[in-house]
Amino acid sequence: GQQVMQIPQYQHVQEGEDFTTYCNSSTTLSNIQWYKQRPGGHPVFLIQLVKSGEVKKQKRLTFQFGEAKKNSSLHITATQTTDVGTYFCAGYEFNNAGNMLTFGGGTRLMVKP
Amino acid sequence: EADIYQTPRYLVIGTGKKITLECSQTMGHDKMYWYQQDPGMELHLIHYSYGVNSTEKGDLSSESTVSRIRTEHFPLTLESARPSHTSQYLCASSTSLGNTIYFGEGSWLTVV
Repeated sequence: GQQVMQIPQYQHVQEGEDFTTYCNSSTTLSNIQWYKQRPGGHPVFLIQLVKSGEVKKQKRLTFQFGEAKKNSSLHITATQTTDVGTYFCAGYEFNNAGNMLTFGGGTRLMVKP
Repeated sequence: EADIYQTPRYLVIGTGKKITLECSQTMGHDKMYWYQQDPGMELHLIHYSYGVNSTEKGDLSSESTVSRIRTEHFPLTLESARPSHTSQYLCASSTSLGNTIYFGEGSWLTVV
């Protein structure tokens, strides 16, 4: 079945440093989504990427979808303490098997002020 | 913010007790899900539903059961709670399988 791997599992950064998390799928995806979960909270949708090679930006966050639609990345420029949380990617493969959106294991970001 | 509600938010119960976690959404979404998540860990899909009268088991085996009698309501029941059931349970919904998933705030269950 479809598998989505995410690295790194944990990342400690100094405030102001950049941060990147990577997501890799075992199969070609129809779309990939990113979610953020604050400590003690619930996952909240950030963005969806659909097209091969797509790049989207949200302020200091840059999301990329690979050309082969099997990998994605989230890059945060100049981290702030408000960026603390776990970032999950979730990949969806459209087929007749009724696949679900498959979540990666998440990258837990900690930011030292 | 999405309109999906879970009760109770926090619950401490004794071993062997029966518990139902409630989940309701007002968005008219057909697809609903239950995820189990230990603090800071990955999300495990335990149940999902395509619509009314549809329930399916997820990737992670669970001793809980679910029902979907109404579109907006997707309760999860544990007939006999055990300490190994201690976890956060997140209810979620979406318009279709590949679309954005909206999560409730979660129910934190502690079994003593």
